Amino acid sequence: DTGVSQDPRHKITKRGQNVTFRCDPISEHNRLYWYRQTLGQGPEFLTYFQNEAQLEKSRLLSDRFSAERPKGSFSTLEIQRTEQGDSAMYLCASSLSGGNNEQFFGPGTRLTVL
Amino acid sequence: KQEVTQIPAALSVPEGENLVLNCSFTDSAIYNLQWFRQDPGKGLTSLLLIQSSQREQTSGRLNASLDKSSGRSTLYIAASQPGDSATYLCAVSVWNGNKLVFGAGTILRVKS
Repeated sequence: DTGVSQDPRHKITKRGQNVTFRCDPISEHNRLYWYRQTLGQGPEFLTYFQNEAQLEKSRLLSDRFSAERPKGSFSTLEIQRTEQGDSAMYLCASSLSGGNNEQFFGPGTRLTVL
Repeated sequence: KQEVTQIPAALSVPEGENLVLNCSFTDSAIYNLQWFRQDPGKGLTSLLLIQSSQREQTSGRLNASLDKSSGRSTLYIAASQPGDSATYLCAVSVWNGNKLVFGAGTILRVKS
């Protein structure tokens, strides 16, 4: 297994369009996290799943954002009616619950909203 | 609410120098602490993880310490190299769900 993968790596869209990102975690990991990072800041937590259940959502995740992990494997993050303020790096991480729960990150999806 | 602060915000050192990056957090009830490296425009690479019951971890030229009671961690880099130039992020894991709370990072430049 080569680690966490994310697709696409870059996305440029116009304001008002919908976008969807995909994350494939490390195969044996049951937890999957989404974070958002803006320039010069550390990543901020958005939401996480344990298996297929979405267990926590940040206040940052407005009603325009939705995340799914239908079979407890890959996850998608959709942003509807994008705004310029949504421009950021969207990072996905996975971990195995129990033990030290070390999180491993993917390469991120860079979103630019024009 | 957990808050993480990293000092300094940026650091420039000549090659070969030993250096220390600092991280502080406001709530000592953490599950673990991770140090990450991030190259420009890239994702995060995990460097070291210290569990809440541990005091330090070492990997090669890197050593991280944790003083949970005072809410502090340090990352020590020995004999720095130009390839160490990157942003270093500290993150603490909260108990419920283990989401990470990050600092803003320290931008390190090692000059050859």
